Amino acid sequence: GAGVSQSPSNKVTEKGKDVELRCDPISGHTALYWYRQSLGQGLEFLIYFQGNSAPDKSGLPSDRFSAERTGGSVSTLTIQRTQQEDSAVYLCASSHALGGGVKQETQYFGPGTRLLVL
Amino acid sequence: AQKITQTQPGMFVQEKEAVTLDCTYDTSDPSYGLFWYKQPSSGEMIFLIYQGSYDQQNATEGRYSLNFQKARKSANLVISASQLGDSAMYFCAMRELIRTGANSKLTFGKGITLSVRP
Repeated sequence: GAGVSQSPSNKVTEKGKDVELRCDPISGHTALYWYRQSLGQGLEFLIYFQGNSAPDKSGLPSDRFSAERTGGSVSTLTIQRTQQEDSAVYLCASSHALGGGVKQETQYFGPGTRLLVL
Repeated sequence: AQKITQTQPGMFVQEKEAVTLDCTYDTSDPSYGLFWYKQPSSGEMIFLIYQGSYDQQNATEGRYSLNFQKARKSANLVISASQLGDSAMYFCAMRELIRTGANSKLTFGKGITLSVRP
């Protein structure tokens, strides 16, 4: 079946503007993760969704970052008042629901959104 | 807290030869999973192989095998019969097994660049 898709693939924005990044998980996957990949910090966890439960936002770096997941499927990561340090690749991953064993819970990643804040 | 260490500089291998990519980890959790992902220049993270901390045998997936040495806390990836398409960045990652929620997030190493020479 289709893999995780993300849009846009690239985004250039000006400092201070808001951006929205979209993730469409693999059909049937109820767990969804956002990660950020930057040169200085490597890959960092941002936020986790499981079905319709409240998300775990423990990895969000500031209150300028927020995310939602509609209908337990598509997710949108929003960054308000972007800063130059927000420039990174934002990766989305999805997996089957937790509880089925770690191999079943393997996370599959999308191609990422490359964000550049000028 | 979990930590993954990948310290090899850029690796080079001749086509059709085998190569080992090193990964050491640190965790206080008795149950954990170890993963390897491949990230080609396109940016997508591709899942390669998984090893559970209680698995008795080393994991294998086609040309990929994992040399798991629990006492040494190492989980090296072995790629046999290298192909030009194997040129990419390789990431070692781990997660806890017992807990759920955002504790299922992956902790990544910094990655290793592999270049396959024709």
